[in-house]
Order: sequence, then C-alpha cells, then structure tokens
Amino acid sequence: RKEVEQDPGPFNVPEGATVAFNCTYSNSASQSFFWYRQDCRKEPKLLMSVYSSGNEDGRFTAQLNRASQYISLLIRDSKLSDSATYLCVVNLNTGNQFYFGTGTSLTVIP
Amino acid sequence: EPEVTQTPSHQVTQMGQEVILRCVPISNHLYFYWYRQILGQKVEFLVSFYNNEISEKSEIFDDQFSVERPDGSNFTLKIRSTKLEDSAMYFCASRGDGSVGPQHFGDGTRLSIL
Repeated sequence: RKEVEQDPGPFNVPEGATVAFNCTYSNSASQSFFWYRQDCRKEPKLLMSVYSSGNEDGRFTAQLNRASQYISLLIRDSKLSDSATYLCVVNLNTGNQFYFGTGTSLTVIP
Repeated sequence: EPEVTQTPSHQVTQMGQEVILRCVPISNHLYFYWYRQILGQKVEFLVSFYNNEISEKSEIFDDQFSVERPDGSNFTLKIRSTKLEDSAMYFCASRGDGSVGPQHFGDGTRLSIL
C-alpha cells in the first residue's frame, strides 16, 4: 500500500470555482502534513502546513482528519494562477523521511 | 527570504561517468534532503542527512550514490557511475531544527544521461 495517495486528476475548473483535493495516508503515526504546489518542471513550493484544528490562508483551507487518515485542501474563487500540481506530503514523527503523493493536477480555465 | 540554491541547473553526462550535484541549504537549517523526480512522475525521496550523517535512505539510494557535507555549507550528491535511468530532476531540500517543520526546496538540477 502506498504511504500517501492522491487522486491524480486532472481537475479542470472555471475561474471562480471552488475545488477540493483529498489525500489519504497509510501510517496512523504520521505527525506532520503539508500541501505543496509544483509548477511544470519547477521545484515544489510550500503552500501550507496542515494543523490538527484545520487552518486557512486566504482562499486556501486545509483540514486534517486523523480518524480517517486523510487531509484535504480547499481552494475558493480559483484563479488562473492556481493552475499547478498540488502535492500532499506526510512525515512520520519517528523518522526524517517525508512521503510525497503523486500530486493532483489542477487547470483553471478562463 | 533565504533560499536553497543548487548548481548546476542542468548537467549533461555520458553514461558511466561520475556526477556531483551541489546544494547550499538555508544557513541555519540542520536537516538536508535529496529527492529526484523523473519526468512525469512523482517526487521520490533519496536520502536525509542530519548531524553529519545519513539518517534515512530509500531503496533508490544504492551504493552508486553518496552524500557529503564537506565544509559546513555545501551539501553534495554524488552518483558514481551514471545510468540512463538516472536522468531526472534532482531536488535538494532543507529544514530547520525543532518540531517537524516544512522543507524548503532548491530549484533543482536537471540531469541528462546520454
């Protein structure tokens, strides 16, 4: 079983739409969770950390559900510039290894 | 804002040759990582490094690979005898001390093996 799983998409949404991505992780001991975005042929860039109580940064909201072992990312009022691949990243508290999902591709259409 | 820097941005090498990819992590960071991403595929963990030694490595990180922090500034990845399948983007990342915070990535080295 993969450590981190994401729906690869692609998600094609019109400008202004709300879109949500989910990510599941296999190890219940996982402690730290992040969403990164990656533009084509570029490095992953931190979008936001995911906290237990959920957190919001502008149009972006991240949620963590430990019981079901998934994290989510909600993007409101999508912009063209949101088009990218969104990577779910999980870390175990016992190790120094981060597990990446395959990424979910988003294209925002004018 | 401090950033992770990687050199070169693109390396072209003949199969069987040795390559060294260089990274300068953010100066007060203590944990260092190498990842690779084959075109069109996911980001894959190679190795993590802390306190001057490898803390974890993946199955990909076999005897052909080694890492070094020779001078307290640079963090290098060496591939001893490159294969065609080593062609990929190689990303270096670092993070600070304390609780498990996020990693910060360099903009990568594209390695092309001919």
